[in-house]
Order: sequence, then C-alpha cells, then structure tokens
Amino acid sequence: GAVVSQHPSRVICKSGTSVKIECRSLDFQATTMFWYRQFPKQSLMLMATSNEGSKATYEQGVEKDKFLINHASLTLSTLTVTSAHPEDSSFYICSAPLTGKNIQYFGAGTRLSVL
Amino acid sequence: QKEVEQDPGPLSVPEGAIVSLNCTYSNSAFQYFMWYRQYSRKGPELLMYTYSSGNKEDGRFTAQVDKSSKYISLFIRDSQPSDSATYLCAMSAYYGNNRLAFGKGNQVVVIP
Repeated sequence: GAVVSQHPSRVICKSGTSVKIECRSLDFQATTMFWYRQFPKQSLMLMATSNEGSKATYEQGVEKDKFLINHASLTLSTLTVTSAHPEDSSFYICSAPLTGKNIQYFGAGTRLSVL
Repeated sequence: QKEVEQDPGPLSVPEGAIVSLNCTYSNSAFQYFMWYRQYSRKGPELLMYTYSSGNKEDGRFTAQVDKSSKYISLFIRDSQPSDSATYLCAMSAYYGNNRLAFGKGNQVVVIP
C-alpha cells in the first residue's frame, strides 16, 4: 500500500540549533503534504500545508519563520525548525494524500527534544 | 461546537470483547470518513476509509457512517491485546480538499 516515509524518527538537539525533518511519499506523487504537531495525549494539530512549487500555507498562530517548509519535489517536503527552543519539543508528523483519493497517509513521526 | 466530537475517555475491555467507538460531527459537507489507529510514539495508521453513508467491513473491523445523524462508528470484533492503541476518527468535505478534521482520539486497552 501507499507509504509515507519520515526521517529522522528522533532528534535531540541543543537550544538554538536548527533541525530538518524530511517527509517522502513512496510509490506516489504528492503535490500537497501536511505537517502536524501532536502534544502528549492530544489529537493532531495542523501546522501547515506544504505545496509543491509554491509557498506553504500556515495555520493561524504558527510562525512561518520558525517552521520553514520546503516542498522541493513531488515526493519530498521538509520542515525545518529554526533556532529551536525547549518549547518546540514535540512530536511532529507529516502526511500526504494518495493521488486521486481523498485520504491521507501519515509518516511515523519525529520526536524532537530540545535541551 | 467543534467540527468533530469524540469522547476521549479511555476504554478498557477484556480480550475477545467487542470494542465500539464513535464520533459525531457538525459539518454536513463531510463525505469522507476515516479511522486511524495510533500506537504510542508512532504516526497514525489508516484502518478504514468510507465514502458517504453505509457500512464497510475489513476482517475484524467494521466502520459505519450515518450521515442523517452525523454519526460514525468503528467496531472491533474479537479484540486482541495488539489492538491496544489510540483510535482517531477523521473526516473531510470533498475530493480535492484533503484537509482533515480530527476527533480527539480514544485510548483503547485490551486486557489479556
């Protein structure tokens, strides 16, 4: 079946550094991908919609300069957490809709811990 | 009123029991209904996908959609300890708008 690959699965970094998370659609192309953040025992919170060939669309309250999104190709979107701080520690998940169907497949998630 | 309501209360059942989960929603434009299973520290995994009203069965899982009542259900028969996870309902309005509205998720524990 359709698979979305997300890398890395775990990141521990020092405060002030930048962290890049990759999301790849395998076996299908995705002109749109989605980035979510999930706090413990909470549902997924949509951060932004990544659009291939154009700027990402950010949800209200999400800092564009803090969370840089680049959709470089039809199979790859990246989320860069810039100048990370402890409050950015969270579980980040990407998803991509299968071509021709209105369903989304999710990556395995990235657990970010900022010290 | 939130778009999707899902009682997040944890649910514990003995092995072999039927697990019944449900969500209600307010947006009558929703046409695509999904159930995801999420294990701890993992991304959600698509379990079932239904378009419009009706039932869909896949092995031990059955999804039901009642658009007239704006109510969807997921049933898990012969539950196993490996079914212990959080179950999220999700829905979207129409083809081309892939934005999903999620329920809060139900944590299910199947006790051996």
